[in-house]
Amino acid sequence: GDSVTQMEGPVTLSEEAFLTINCTYTATGYPSLFWYVQYPGEGLQLLLKATKADDKGSNKVFEATYRKETTSFHLEKGSVQVSDSAVYFCALSLSGGSYIPTFGRGTSLIVHP
Amino acid sequence: GAVVSQHPSRVICKSGTSVKIECRSLDFQATTMFWYRQFPKKSLMLMATSNEGSKATYEQGVEKDKFLINHASLTLSTLTVTSAHPEDSSFYICSARGWGAGNTEAFFGQGTRLTVV
Repeated sequence: GDSVTQMEGPVTLSEEAFLTINCTYTATGYPSLFWYVQYPGEGLQLLLKATKADDKGSNKVFEATYRKETTSFHLEKGSVQVSDSAVYFCALSLSGGSYIPTFGRGTSLIVHP
Repeated sequence: GAVVSQHPSRVICKSGTSVKIECRSLDFQATTMFWYRQFPKKSLMLMATSNEGSKATYEQGVEKDKFLINHASLTLSTLTVTSAHPEDSSFYICSARGWGAGNTEAFFGQGTRLTVV
């Protein structure tokens, strides 16, 4: 079946450090890939997405590239801030109303001043 | 992006009572809604999938008589936790997706923190 694997957390960084959170997937079709962020006590917010191979999903500060050859969608940010501390979920979904999105287990990021 | 509103954000109820959580898609028609439960420091656990106008499909191990899901319209789904017990205390999150073959993205509500005392 389809699955998403994320790196184990927590990831602990100092402010202004470079961030990478690894995500790999297996899917039977051609999925769309997503990164969601969850701040403490809140629901999930879409961070970025990519719908086909070689697409770069970006929200101006975070980015991830859809790599079909390595089945990966690693999240990156050049300089993290304390406010980026949250849990990050990688997910995939195929089109079709009945398809249930598949989520990774989430990676907790802690950024220290 | 599209907006999904979940209400209430927090609720405290007494053991044995029922609690209803609403999930509304504000600016799109949600043919499919998902209900998740999230334990502390854990990932999302899918509870059920509901399609407008039909019965929800529950995941294995989720009691359908305890967690009643109704998706009566294209913009509203409700989750009712019946005869709540302290072990039902958790963070519940809904998610909604629109119709159409190109719709792969799910939009999430803000979540509901349920505490049963």
